[in-house]
Amino acid sequence: GESVGLHLPTLSVQEGDNSIINCAYSNSASDYFIWYKQESGKGPQFIIDIRSNMDKRQGQRVTVLLNKTVKHLSLQIAATQPGDSAVYFCAEMGSYGQNFVFGPGTRLSVLP
Amino acid sequence: DAGVIQSPRHEVTEMGQEVTLRCKPISGHDYLFWYRQTMMRGLELLIYFNNNVPIDDSGMPEDRFSAKMPNASFSTLKIQPSEPRDSAVYFCASSLWRGSYNEQFFGPGTRLTVL
Repeated sequence: GESVGLHLPTLSVQEGDNSIINCAYSNSASDYFIWYKQESGKGPQFIIDIRSNMDKRQGQRVTVLLNKTVKHLSLQIAATQPGDSAVYFCAEMGSYGQNFVFGPGTRLSVLP
Repeated sequence: DAGVIQSPRHEVTEMGQEVTLRCKPISGHDYLFWYRQTMMRGLELLIYFNNNVPIDDSGMPEDRFSAKMPNASFSTLKIQPSEPRDSAVYFCASSLWRGSYNEQFFGPGTRLTVL
């Protein structure tokens, strides 16, 4: 499948542990953020989103935290599973109000 | 719904040839996006359409790239002439405007190799 970058930051976690993936965004005016998961050979897939009027949002096994003061997003994955191995991108709504600006991505590797 | 459909999935061509990538968005979606993904640059937005009209093409690398959306169910991205540095995975995505927020659904991508 496609390789999204040899120079991506990589996070290695043991199966069953919790994972935290971080992202810094650039535009203080951005008001919508999404985390995407991209498995090898596939297009990005929506995981969870958050609006700027929220600090935290929870999904199934995933939690997104937003710190607007320092323009930082994090994605927490509980009880990480082998199927969670992928590249994770954060995206912020761009200045035109529609298109998203993607971060460089983080590769998550789940160790058995 | 089958999701966003892209064709071909893989394309190998020689430098100087014309390449046409195709996309069928999800029915009912009113936004369509073309992205390029490379190891060096990551995901880049090339162009997006709203109701078949190009809104922002500032990401299109140069005049060799052109995109059209003749109707709500079909879009093309054309590269003419192609160059080896155009080798990348090209994604099409579509979304439905929901007030201020929308989620983009991505197709499987077209892997382009220009020799």
